[in-house]
Amino acid sequence: EIVLTQSPGTLSLSPGERATLSCRASQSVDSKYLVWYQQKSGQAPRLLIYGASSRATGVPDRFSGSGSGTDFTLTISRLEREDFAVYYCQRWGSSPLTFGGGTKVEIK
Amino acid sequence: QLQESGPGLVKPSETLSLTCSVSGGSTSNFYWNWFRQPPGKGLEWIGYTHDSGDTNYNPSLRSRVSTSIDTSKNQVSLKLYSVTAADTAMYYCAKWANSLEAADIWGQGTMVTVSS
Repeated sequence: EIVLTQSPGTLSLSPGERATLSCRASQSVDSKYLVWYQQKSGQAPRLLIYGASSRATGVPDRFSGSGSGTDFTLTISRLEREDFAVYYCQRWGSSPLTFGGGTKVEIK
Repeated sequence: QLQESGPGLVKPSETLSLTCSVSGGSTSNFYWNWFRQPPGKGLEWIGYTHDSGDTNYNPSLRSRVSTSIDTSKNQVSLKLYSVTAADTAMYYCAKWANSLEAADIWGQGTMVTVSS
């Protein structure tokens, strides 16, 4: 099973600041299978980034994904109030599908 | 749109049965996934099913899981057998987009508590 480790666990930032979230895999992951979701409190996850770097429909361009192999990054260029949430990376390609433990982006 | 439904409370050792109703589209030709999230914790993949009969389950749950699709009713079903308190979670169904290799549409989830 490929384990995804997200860091940091919590990121305390102010609106307007830049957020950099890390997702590290225990084995190499094909970029086309690396996905990021956003989950706000009390809501279902929402697809943000697929294929490591492609934004899903309706996702603002302040969100960007990058990386390859075992290291992937989600960047939020300028945090808006609605961006404070938990972010999960997820990979597929082989069973089982796995998620990282999540990074909570909270208001400082 | 996806809407999960089922009993909110299940007794230990019994079977958890959930339905995901699909509106505004068909269940045909898509992979339908089930996920769960214990209170305050992260997401876990349960498995997927396709109307071709293709299924794939998380090895950690494989011995206790069954899924099916009723295309005539546009519904996807999940059964989890012999539940324990560790199965207490929010359960989500989600449509898999093959072109994106991601779950692009999620239901709002349904909370299931396992308790006597």
